[in-house]
Amino acid sequence: AAGVIQSPRHLIKEKRETATLKCYPIPRHDTVYWYQQGPGQDPQFLISFYEKMQSDKGSIPDRFSAQQFSDYHSELNMSSLELGDSALYFCASRQTGGEFGEQYFGPGTRLTVT
Amino acid sequence: GESVGLHLPTLSVQEGDNSIINCAYSNSASDYFIWYKQESGKGPQFIIDIRSNMDKRQGQRVTVLLNKTVKHLSLQIAATQPGDSAVYFCAEREDSSYKLIFGSGTRLLVRP
Repeated sequence: AAGVIQSPRHLIKEKRETATLKCYPIPRHDTVYWYQQGPGQDPQFLISFYEKMQSDKGSIPDRFSAQQFSDYHSELNMSSLELGDSALYFCASRQTGGEFGEQYFGPGTRLTVT
Repeated sequence: GESVGLHLPTLSVQEGDNSIINCAYSNSASDYFIWYKQESGKGPQFIIDIRSNMDKRQGQRVTVLLNKTVKHLSLQIAATQPGDSAVYFCAEREDSSYKLIFGSGTRLLVRP
């Protein structure tokens, strides 16, 4: 079965650089969620989109922005990167109207800021 | 703010034994709970979920129990196998927002 695709899988950036993470949801899934997971920590919700509109916002820094496109893929843009931004970034997708509406996670992008 | 937490950070069990991973939640408005399994370097993998109007749900070798009175959630894994070794997270969701609030993970180690 098709899964959530994230690219790139690994990314190394220097402080103050920018990064763009991409997420391609499972076909027919219309909602995308972004999570950040620091080393040894639980995933923290950043932001979500439903039908290309921002649906919820969590602990996302002002330096970050995201959007969902007409094909439902989403991009997380990160600027002025800091060392503390080093983490795993997960995208999850969901199909509204499902029985329970569970979220399916992608493999993640490991961002390392040096 | 509301949070979901776990009692034990690491659980070590013998292969073939049953495992029980516990989780406490504090948001009484949460209506949906999920258990995820996360292997090293991979994304969380959905295991089983339960709605707040249920107290038990069974899957293949896994059972989730929900006690709303004491706001407690547990994951039972029958006949634990080496492939079950991973970090397990519980997560809660408010019906209104659908975002997930994760608890601190429990690492399950299966001894051969």
